Amino acid sequence: SQTIHQWPATLVQPVGSPLSLECTVEGTSNPNLYWYRQAAGRGLQLLFYSVGIGQISSEVPQNLSASRPQDRQFILSSKKLLLSDSGFYLCAWSVDYGYTFGSGTRLTVV
Amino acid sequence: AQSVTQPDIHITVSEGASLELRCNYSYGATPYLFWYVQSPGQGLQLLLKYFSGDTLVQGIKGFEAEFKRSQSSFNLRKPSVHWSDAAEYFCATRNTGFQKLVFGTGTRLLVSP
Repeated sequence: SQTIHQWPATLVQPVGSPLSLECTVEGTSNPNLYWYRQAAGRGLQLLFYSVGIGQISSEVPQNLSASRPQDRQFILSSKKLLLSDSGFYLCAWSVDYGYTFGSGTRLTVV
Repeated sequence: AQSVTQPDIHITVSEGASLELRCNYSYGATPYLFWYVQSPGQGLQLLLKYFSGDTLVQGIKGFEAEFKRSQSSFNLRKPSVHWSDAAEYFCATRNTGFQKLVFGTGTRLLVSP
């Protein structure tokens, strides 16, 4: 079966520290992968998407970057976190017309 | 670009009452439309989706949605709400340029006893 794993579930990081969130997908090949962010009281904003290994598209300019080192691995990173990076980060994948979301990472930057 | 609008930020419904959550889309052709539910601190779960065909779509957990082209709407309904339905509901559409979902701002459903 197709599953998506996202970790950690919760993260508290100081301002200026680095970030690495990882997402892996099982049971599918060559999926499209996405990183969304949900800020408090707001909807979901698409941050990055990827159609293949090493192919990353950014939706909005920000303090974050993404990488796809393997077909089913998607990583969200930052060199120096800002307070405004706090939020709920969701990874998702799609093949054809189906979209599946991970359980999310709650990031609090203090 | 395609977009969806959810005009209601919060809705409170009594347990056992019927529910309708509104979603309006902006797109000239037939859009791909989705409804997702998010429980607090959780990821998103797909309730139902519409691509073409029958305009009344049945989903999980007793939800249904009706696509109405004349009103550019895709409203979510449930005949009898349970306390466990309290959550945030998102309408979404798929961008035709690339397979990315564009979400509405969400509607938070509160269920009163």
